[in-house]
Amino acid sequence: ETGVTQSPTHLIKTRGQQVTLRCSSQSGHNTVSWYQQALGQGPQFIFQYYREEENGRGNFPPRFSGLQFPNYSSELNVNALELDDSALYLCASSLDYSAIQYFGAGTRLSVL
Amino acid sequence: GENVEQHPSTLSVQEGDSAVIKCTYSDSASNYFPWYKQELGKRPQLIIDIRSNVGEKKDQRIAVTLNKTAKHFSLHITETQPEDSAVYFCAASIKGGSEKLVFGKGTKLTVNP
Repeated sequence: ETGVTQSPTHLIKTRGQQVTLRCSSQSGHNTVSWYQQALGQGPQFIFQYYREEENGRGNFPPRFSGLQFPNYSSELNVNALELDDSALYLCASSLDYSAIQYFGAGTRLSVL
Repeated sequence: GENVEQHPSTLSVQEGDSAVIKCTYSDSASNYFPWYKQELGKRPQLIIDIRSNVGEKKDQRIAVTLNKTAKHFSLHITETQPEDSAVYFCAASIKGGSEKLVFGKGTKLTVNP
């Protein structure tokens, strides 16, 4: 059984740029949730994808968007990057949008 | 709104002592309460969870208790070891289309040898 994997591990961007983060879900899982973890804070829910459809969204602006592919891997896209977008971005996978979620190691995004 | 408060923010104990971390949640419809352990630079790791139809759950040195009436739940670690040192997060499930998790701000636990 393979766990949740994310790429890249680190990323540095400048304000105004766009970024794409990637996540492969755990084997057998069809749901991916994305979270933003600012330094010293708990993860905050961005959105969830279930069977290629967005299945719920947190309090994040539309410049945060996502995709899920037929193999259940997922992308998080952030447009018009702002300094406050600097954070650890975590994805978590689950089966049938269960709350029992398993996390990847995250992508550390720095916006300069 | 949806909120999970976690206390304390830092906790330092001697090896062998017990550690207790407490959380309160605001949404009475929450029915799933996981605890995650996050070591520096690593992924949050699910260590124990409890559903709202259960009052207590134990797994070796770790236990979680839930008081639905008071809307709070606690993590108990007995016989702490230096490798228990990490940041611990509590979370509560919120339903509304998806079943998302709302996290507390974390507790940094340090176990001194």
